[in-house]
Amino acid sequence: EADIYQTPRYLVIGTGKKITLECSQTMGHDKMYWYQQDPGMELHLIHYSYGVNSTEKGDLSSESTVSRIRTEHFPLTLESARPSHTSQYLCASTPSRQETQYFGPGTRLLVL
Amino acid sequence: AQTVTQSQPEMSVQEAETVTLSCTYDTSESDYYLFWYKQPPSRQMILVIRQEAYKQQNATENRFSVNFQKAAKSFSLKISDSQLGDAAMYFCAYSSSGTYKYIFGTGTRLKVLA
Repeated sequence: EADIYQTPRYLVIGTGKKITLECSQTMGHDKMYWYQQDPGMELHLIHYSYGVNSTEKGDLSSESTVSRIRTEHFPLTLESARPSHTSQYLCASTPSRQETQYFGPGTRLLVL
Repeated sequence: AQTVTQSQPEMSVQEAETVTLSCTYDTSESDYYLFWYKQPPSRQMILVIRQEAYKQQNATENRFSVNFQKAAKSFSLKISDSQLGDAAMYFCAYSSSGTYKYIFGTGTRLKVLA
């Protein structure tokens, strides 16, 4: 069982603010992912990482950026939040030789 | 490109009864994994069950079992003896072996009626 943590769980901010959503996992998983999910809807991959210093954009165009300086940490940053960024953001990780994804609890973001 | 289709946006089941959620997928790969994930309201997404494509035997986990039809590219989830705690969104997902990518379906909302 993987432990993945996301902070904050809920965030309400104004347009134009810079925000960073945190994601950490304690299991030493190599692969990490960020998904965007509107309530009750499908997941869209926005970023992923194979390991330290390896990041790629996913299928859904996103104005966010990510970094992977440490194995356990995969933060997502929005330089200038807009109302269209309002959504839920899910972080996930996978061990390098296993296919099951483990998900964090998510961050619900509301941009006013 | 691989796709995953869940044709049932919403399903209802009476408590203690059995329900089957449908999932079809499309791929040209031969080695892949299929998953069912459960997302309760405002709670964490968790794995329900997974199936390796090379295994002919259907996976089972307690009250949850799958019907994996590789030729038909079908992967349905059967929930037996449904409980109120089974109410959630259920997502079918696909992943090619050795790749980063997971393809999720649009989800099926399951309601359990007392």
